[in-house]
Amino acid sequence: DQQVKQNSPSLSVQEGRISILNCDYTNSMFDYFLWYKKYPAEGPTFLISISSIKDKNEDGRFTVFLNKSAKHLSLHIVPSQPGDSAVYFCAASGGNQFYFGTGTSLTVIP
Amino acid sequence: DTAVSQTPKYLVTQMGNDKSIKCEQNLGHDTMYWYKQDSKKFLKIMFSYNNKELIINETVPNRFSPKSPDKAHLNLHINSLELGDSAVYFCASSQGTGGFNEQFFGPGTRLTVL
Repeated sequence: DQQVKQNSPSLSVQEGRISILNCDYTNSMFDYFLWYKKYPAEGPTFLISISSIKDKNEDGRFTVFLNKSAKHLSLHIVPSQPGDSAVYFCAASGGNQFYFGTGTSLTVIP
Repeated sequence: DTAVSQTPKYLVTQMGNDKSIKCEQNLGHDTMYWYKQDSKKFLKIMFSYNNKELIINETVPNRFSPKSPDKAHLNLHINSLELGDSAVYFCASSQGTGGFNEQFFGPGTRLTVL
């Protein structure tokens, strides 16, 4: 039962342009959503989060948007940099439960 | 100075063996987790401990037994290893149990069962 879905396994973007990574979830009881970034042979590292009571959270080049009615969130990276090339995991939590998506591999082309 | 460390990084073993993976965090966090990332890249929580007490125990075969000797350590022992146990196992820690708590992950242990 996949409660968090990232339907795009990969994305390529030119350096300087916007990267948009998408995530869908099924459980309306989730109260926090997080994005993690993962480089090869390393563990995921936290990037940005958003509470279910908000619809936008911004941190530097990274902005997460939450659309509760559509059960959809997205991560915008502007401008994209080659160092952003990694796998991005969307995660959702409710109570003590955590669910991760399968990740989207972002490649930023110099 | 590594925040969350796991040993070993790679583990290759035969079916039926028993093995352990160790995890230590030096962040002073109260909560620790074990995740399994399978071949389909699903990152799925297995266990969570808060102050040495089990708070999440997902549907995991009872061949998997976590042990938390203290707040800084959460080890994973696996009995009678099976081919399907091959995966990357990640340990993580966070300050508290709420979903808003950022989790810090270790580098992962790649387990291969032959």
